[in-house]
Amino acid sequence: KNQVEQSPQSLIILEGKNCTLQCNYTVSPFSNLRWYKQDTGRGPVSLTIMTFSENTKSNGRYTATLDADTKQSSLHITASQLSDSASYICVVSASGGSQGNLIFGKGTKLSVKP
Amino acid sequence: EAQVTQNPRYLITVTGKKLTVTCSQNMNHEYMSWYRQDPGLGLRQIYYSMNVEVTDKGDVPEGYKVSRKEKRNFPLILESPSPNQTSLYFCASSLSATAGQGGTGELFFGEGSRLTVL
Repeated sequence: KNQVEQSPQSLIILEGKNCTLQCNYTVSPFSNLRWYKQDTGRGPVSLTIMTFSENTKSNGRYTATLDADTKQSSLHITASQLSDSASYICVVSASGGSQGNLIFGKGTKLSVKP
Repeated sequence: EAQVTQNPRYLITVTGKKLTVTCSQNMNHEYMSWYRQDPGLGLRQIYYSMNVEVTDKGDVPEGYKVSRKEKRNFPLILESPSPNQTSLYFCASSLSATAGQGGTGELFFGEGSRLTVL
């Protein structure tokens, strides 16, 4: 069964600190992996999309890594800011990349405290 | 401004009273999709559409209908809403349905529609 597991479920860090969120998947055949940021009560916003051949992708202070062999991805946030407080959702696309086959993780809720 | 617009944003209704949540995108996207988000369950796909007049079921289609008569609109219809359809609903669109084939495959989400069925 295709699944996406994220850890931790929630995380509290102090402003200015770094953090890493994890995503493990059992999706086959793999096409691409996406990270989204969702502010409370708002729609998710794309941070990165990585295909099989990409190991690392950055978007400002956000850096995503992908290990297709171990089926793991991580999202590293550098020098966190209060505005980083949000849920981060890992999404894996299966079967050649059709968006009819997106498998969503349940998200990690990040709280950044002053 | 490129956007996905949902209406209504908030709605309280009663069991059995038909309702429609509209979704419109102004980016000429081929792909559109509906999701519901519930605490502890994450986002689950209800229906999706690869193009005009082409729709398909997602993971949780029961109790919902959709139509794609024109490219920009993808309404979600609840013919006879029930309390278990109380949820936060998101519409999303993408230029192409497949990442790496003429488009990034990036999904753009609307702001959400919070529906309560009493």
